[in-house]
Amino acid sequence: KAGVTQTPRYLIKTRGQQVTLSCSPISGHRSVSWYQQTPGQGLQFLFEYFSETQRNKGNFPGRFSGRQFSNSRSEMNVSTLELGDSALYLCASSTGTPDGEQYFGPGTRLTVT
Amino acid sequence: AQSVTQPDIHITVSEGASLELRCNYSYGATPYLFWYVQSPGQGLQLLLKYFSGDTLVQGIKGFEAEFKRSQSSFNLRKPSVHWSDAAEYFCAVFLKAAGNKLTFGGGTRVLVKP
Repeated sequence: KAGVTQTPRYLIKTRGQQVTLSCSPISGHRSVSWYQQTPGQGLQFLFEYFSETQRNKGNFPGRFSGRQFSNSRSEMNVSTLELGDSALYLCASSTGTPDGEQYFGPGTRLTVT
Repeated sequence: AQSVTQPDIHITVSEGASLELRCNYSYGATPYLFWYVQSPGQGLQLLLKYFSGDTLVQGIKGFEAEFKRSQSSFNLRKPSVHWSDAAEYFCAVFLKAAGNKLTFGGGTRVLVKP
């Protein structure tokens, strides 16, 4: 089975712009979660989508949004980028069952200048 | 407050020596427990998990972890470290009642001396 793929792998944006990141989960997985990783805050949960519905949301401003398509692929959007949004954004897929075992993609490294 | 703590930010170990990474959690119920490893510039790879049953679990790459309910701990061990084990290790918990998400510890960076 192919693993979780994320595109693009690297991205450089300017403050004030917006960005869209993409995640393709493992085939058959219906849950996609997004995490932000920074040196200062560590790994923080952004949101989770299951069957095209946002099921859970972390403590991030409304500039961070996401969606999931019928094929379970997910996108994450960040509007009005700030310098502090520079981070590694990780996507994780799972079957969505309570055991919570999640498989991570390689991440998208976003740099905001 | 619910939290996951990895007390050691950095650990340096000689190749061939044993390794133990500590993880403590603070939750009202026993969550599902995980250890992940992250090599530089990479995503997270699942090493092992504990859901229930035998408190000593075996994982990939020769790692094992022991769940101790009385100490709210889930420490990761490896008997003999290889240079390729140099990476950052994250303990994580999953508790559906706490939001259906993984909550991570701050990570422990492992350096391996030749």
